[in-house]
Amino acid sequence: DAGVTQSPTHLIKTRGQQVTLRCSPKSGHDTVSWYQQALGQGPQFIFQYYEEEERQRGNFPDRFSGHQFPNYSSELNVNALLLGDSALYLCASSLATGQQETQYFGPGTRLLVL
Amino acid sequence: SQQGEEDPQALSIQEGENATMNCSYKTSINNLQWYRQNSGRGLVHLILIRSNEREKHSGRLRVTLDTSKKSSSLLITASRAADTASYFCATARLGGSNYKLTFGKGTLLTVNP
Repeated sequence: DAGVTQSPTHLIKTRGQQVTLRCSPKSGHDTVSWYQQALGQGPQFIFQYYEEEERQRGNFPDRFSGHQFPNYSSELNVNALLLGDSALYLCASSLATGQQETQYFGPGTRLLVL
Repeated sequence: SQQGEEDPQALSIQEGENATMNCSYKTSINNLQWYRQNSGRGLVHLILIRSNEREKHSGRLRVTLDTSKKSSSLLITASRAADTASYFCATARLGGSNYKLTFGKGTLLTVNP
């Protein structure tokens, strides 16, 4: 049973560029949540996708956008990258049916913006 | 913004000792969860306690929740070097069909052999 997978593992971009991060949820899960974790901080909620729609959103600018595909995988897009976007981006999956409480996290993508 | 605040920020103990970490939060919650993170990688779910529960055990872990004080504690008994990691509390609130997690800044636990 595959867990949550994310790609790529590491990424280096320059200011102003755009980046796309990918996430495949745990088998059987239908909901994907994205978190940003700056160095030395706890993860911060970016947004959550369920049924191919953004259902909840944290306090992040519109430069952060996402998508969920029919197979439940998801992408996180960040436009006009800033130095402050350097962080570990974590994807978590869960199951909406029965309002499952536990989220399962992937290993993360470490983004460095120069 | 981060709702949970862990205390202490860092904790160093000897193998075999117990480690206690505390978490405080600000708003009402559906449940509170503790996660572990090794070396800045993915988070591993440890234990969940619902808002109507006061104490929960899982192996060497014991979690308490006091909703009147909006606080929780995580106790790791008989610690091992492998327990060295960052520990985060996360409060969960239901939004539609799914929960949204709000994390604290974490406690860095070092267990010395």
